[in-house]
Amino acid sequence: AQKITQTQPGMFVQEKEAVTLDCTYDTSDPSYGLFWYKQPSSGEMIFLIYQGSYDQQNATEGRYSLNFQKARKSANLVISASQLGDSAMYFCAMRDSSYKLIFGSGTRLLVRP
Amino acid sequence: DVKVTQSSRYLVKRTGEKVFLECVQDMDHENMFWYRQDPGLGLRLIYFSYDVKMKEKGDIPEGYSVSREKKERFSLILESASTNQTSMYLCASSPSREQETQYFGPGTRLLVL
Repeated sequence: AQKITQTQPGMFVQEKEAVTLDCTYDTSDPSYGLFWYKQPSSGEMIFLIYQGSYDQQNATEGRYSLNFQKARKSANLVISASQLGDSAMYFCAMRDSSYKLIFGSGTRLLVRP
Repeated sequence: DVKVTQSSRYLVKRTGEKVFLECVQDMDHENMFWYRQDPGLGLRLIYFSYDVKMKEKGDIPEGYSVSREKKERFSLILESASTNQTSMYLCASSPSREQETQYFGPGTRLLVL
């Protein structure tokens, strides 16, 4: 069965430091996609970054990068130079073989000033 | 920018009422999705649609139905609301099966009394 696991319910990071949010996945499909979303307290899910299973390079979007290790089935999100506005819930998700998204349980990140 | 709107941010209904949650996207996306989000359970897919008048069950369709009469609009219907349907409801859309990034609306917090 396809599954996304986020083992960190909560994380703290000091402002301006980098932080890594963990995500592991399980699938037997050769083709899949991995996503990270941010959910502030307002509730809206904001798309951050995408990694395709056949992409040779790790995805980057501004301060966000995805550390994709295919053999380990991990897709960790790295946020560089954390800002107070980065405090939110972060969800890892995987597109399954029928093009639906499967979400992890999320990690709450709190950025300390 | 992709714009997904939902008819209400907050909604309070009574047990047994029929409830309509509306979602509209303005980017001519083919695919639309309804999720519910509960603490500790992440997002769970209720129904989705790949085209007008098409619908497919997600992981938790019981107690819900959907309607997609126009490409830009996807409605979630609670035929007879129950207290266990108190939740956050999120609508999303994606361009196509090949362009799979899902963009979310702001969410509707539904309270069933």
